[in-house]
Amino acid sequence: GESVGLHLPTLSVQEGDNSIINCAYSNSASDYFIWYKQESGKGPQFIIDIRSNMDKRQGQRVTVLLNKTVKHLSLQIAATQPGDSAVYFCAENIREYGNKLVFGAGTILRVKS
Amino acid sequence: EPEVTQTPSHQVTQMGQEVILRCVPISNHLYFYWYRQILGQKVEFLVSFYNNEISEKSEIFDDQFSVERPDGSNFTLKIRSTKLEDSAMYFCASTNREVGEKLFFGSGTQLSVL
Repeated sequence: GESVGLHLPTLSVQEGDNSIINCAYSNSASDYFIWYKQESGKGPQFIIDIRSNMDKRQGQRVTVLLNKTVKHLSLQIAATQPGDSAVYFCAENIREYGNKLVFGAGTILRVKS
Repeated sequence: EPEVTQTPSHQVTQMGQEVILRCVPISNHLYFYWYRQILGQKVEFLVSFYNNEISEKSEIFDDQFSVERPDGSNFTLKIRSTKLEDSAMYFCASTNREVGEKLFFGSGTQLSVL
């Protein structure tokens, strides 16, 4: 079935530290994963994505890691800044089921100055 | 940078009334979506739309819901007879398969049903 979940509902980090947000998925047929950031009162904003034929992808200050063996996805944010405070969602797409993203529950990231 | 725009940002309505939520997707996108988010919960898929017809819909998207692309730029979600439980933030999204499955979301319409 469709199931995307998160280990930690809230993560508090000190400004300048690295953040790691985790996500578990249960559908082995998922072939595309994406992280979104949602600030209060706004829509989800794209951060980074990764396809199932990769295990790591880097962006600006962010890295996504995919471990298909244990069906685990993580988002690493380097040198976390106050502006990174938001809710982070992972989402998966199962191509054979159409172009539909299934979202996880979300993790709140709080950055302490 | 192109963006998805949604109007209104807030909508208050009485139970049983009809509401229409409006969206202008990114101009060269071909696939359109509505999602909703009840306060404090995850973003839930409602419906996808391509080539002037619904591609897929969730269990939430019952007979009270409908979508329409009345012209070349707008994409609307109509709820015929709103219920209290329809209160949520509704997000429109669009994508172009040429850029993969990444969806671009609007800022949402907060619907409050009283």
